[in-house]
Amino acid sequence: EIVLTQSPGTLSLSPGEGATLSCRASQSVRNSFLAWYQQKPGRAPRLLIYDTSTRATGIPDRFSGSGSGTDFTLTISRLEPEDFALYYCQQYGSSPWTFGQGTKVEFK
Amino acid sequence: QVQVVESGGGLVKPGGSLRLSCAASGFTFSDYYMSWIRQAPGKGLEWVSYISNSGSDIYYADSVRGRFTISRDNAKDSLYLQMNSLTAEDTAVYYCTRGHTMIAHWGQGTLVTVSS
Repeated sequence: EIVLTQSPGTLSLSPGEGATLSCRASQSVRNSFLAWYQQKPGRAPRLLIYDTSTRATGIPDRFSGSGSGTDFTLTISRLEPEDFALYYCQQYGSSPWTFGQGTKVEFK
Repeated sequence: QVQVVESGGGLVKPGGSLRLSCAASGFTFSDYYMSWIRQAPGKGLEWVSYISNSGSDIYYADSVRGRFTISRDNAKDSLYLQMNSLTAEDTAVYYCTRGHTMIAHWGQGTLVTVSS
């Protein structure tokens, strides 16, 4: 099973700042099949990025994904107030599909 | 628009059973794999099970294999999860989702609480 480790656990930032979230896999993610989700309290996750770098429908271009092999990054170029939330990475290259433990982006 | 709506959650005693249902609309249900993903209170996400559009390809997480059964009725645009021998560790919000790789469509979730 591929273990995904996200860092940092919490990111304290202000609106307008940039955010860099990391997701490290315990082994190479086949075909870079990695996705990122955003989750707000009491809500279902929302798909942001899939296949490492493809934005999902309706996702603003301030969200971008990159990486390969075992190291992946979600970048939010300029934080908007609605971006303060929990973020998960997920790999679907090797069964069982697995999620990271999450990174919380909170107001500084 | 794509919509999936779960039902059937609730409070059940350890060792008990529960059947979750998911009603799909806004897309051709029989064309898609479907999945159940759960989230324990304050915890992360865990893929529980998925089923192919025909029902011939099924996956279960090790944590539920032998206790949970996923099924679907394409004539009714519905997905099910039969959960037996429930334990406290099964307490979670259960999400019905379309797809089985990256998930763009999620239901609102239904809470299952296993407690005496």
